[in-house]
Amino acid sequence: EAGVAQSPRYKIIEKRQSVAFWCNPISGHATLYWYQQILGQGPKLLIQFQNNGVVDDSQLPKDRFSAERLKGVDSTLKIQPAKLEDSAVYLCASSLATGGWHEQYFGPGTRLTVT
Amino acid sequence: DQQVKQNSPSLSVQEGRISILNCDYTNSMFDYFLWYKKYPAEGPTFLISISSIKDKNEDGRFTVFLNKSAKHLSLHIVPSQPGDSAVYFCAASPKTSYDKVIFGPGTSLSVIP
Repeated sequence: EAGVAQSPRYKIIEKRQSVAFWCNPISGHATLYWYQQILGQGPKLLIQFQNNGVVDDSQLPKDRFSAERLKGVDSTLKIQPAKLEDSAVYLCASSLATGGWHEQYFGPGTRLTVT
Repeated sequence: DQQVKQNSPSLSVQEGRISILNCDYTNSMFDYFLWYKKYPAEGPTFLISISSIKDKNEDGRFTVFLNKSAKHLSLHIVPSQPGDSAVYFCAASPKTSYDKVIFGPGTSLSVIP
């Protein structure tokens, strides 16, 4: 079974530029998550999708971050404009469903450096 | 407001000995507790979990203990192996929303051959 795929793996941009990350979840997984992991901290949930609908985006900085999962499969996370404090690893995860506990499977992440 | 705390950023253990990783939480609504393991340049992978109705769960060399009254859990690895060297994240979910996983900051374990 293929795992969660993410691209790019690394990205370096200057502040005020825009950037986009892509995620392809495990086939058949209805729930998709984007996490931000700042150095020295644990992953923090940014947004959760159930199929192509948003379940929770309460911690997404909506003035600069946006995410979509148009066909209920792949997802993109965008930052525009980027700030220095956005430097982090952005992790995508997927699980079979929501409601009850389902293991979340993580991709390798995209390491973003904002200079 | 850190709801899941791992006060030891790093831990070194000799191969073959026991590794004990500790975790404390503050939110009494947490009902399900997990440990994730992360190697460099990879995403976290699920290791072991425990429900609040239990005080111990064992899976091979890995055992998680939960002390609800103290809001404390620990992960024991016996015997420790060099391949166990990784960052271990303690995490917790509330009963109202099991998919809302709150992660601690992680403990970096080094197992010395």
